[in-house]
Amino acid sequence: GEDVEQSLFLSVREGDSSVINCTYTDSSSTYLYWYKQEPGAGLQLLTYIFSNMDMKQDQRLTVLLNKKDKHLSLRIADTQTGDSAIYFCAERYSSASKIIFGSGTRLSIRP
Amino acid sequence: AAGVIQSPRHLIKEKRETATLKCYPIPRHDTVYWYQQGPGQDPQFLISFYEKMQSDKGSIPDRFSAQQFSDYHSELNMSSLELGDSALYFCASSTRDRSSYEQYFGPGTRLTVT
Repeated sequence: GEDVEQSLFLSVREGDSSVINCTYTDSSSTYLYWYKQEPGAGLQLLTYIFSNMDMKQDQRLTVLLNKKDKHLSLRIADTQTGDSAIYFCAERYSSASKIIFGSGTRLSIRP
Repeated sequence: AAGVIQSPRHLIKEKRETATLKCYPIPRHDTVYWYQQGPGQDPQFLISFYEKMQSDKGSIPDRFSAQQFSDYHSELNMSSLELGDSALYFCASSTRDRSSYEQYFGPGTRLTVT
């Protein structure tokens, strides 16, 4: 996606933390999301954050939002082999509008 | 809980043929979105409908058309298919409730054009 940028690949060791970064351009975005897509599968919403928040934690997932820099990150603690997937950062202006996806980061786990 | 239903799940067509993809939103959802995800690409927004009217339009080719029916299901019609139309097509649904943050995605229809 041209408005949402992510690095394409990330490789981490099993048990380590993974940090996937994303930058977006539309400062008026209300909702910011992280989706997970396994090979050949659909889009699974992992977590989201509203633009008036700066952090959200949900079990092994921590989302950090820096509105000033328009930077969003997803930290996965204790990364497991089942976390191997493509992770899409996405933004949405309002509850009525489309979702704009980033290009996705392919997370691979090494033993 | 009911989810978004898409049919068919897989479809194989030849060049220049026509395809119709169907989407059944979650009950009481009034908005439907269509996205196209090419191989190795991110999902790209095509078109959306709110209360049976087109509400937004993205990068949808003129060869494609879509509509939302009175029961809120939607169909994406694709004509004169090209090899480049091979992709995973997602439908998503939502409500316009301000407290609703999520677009619920269906499992997708994988279209292969040969």
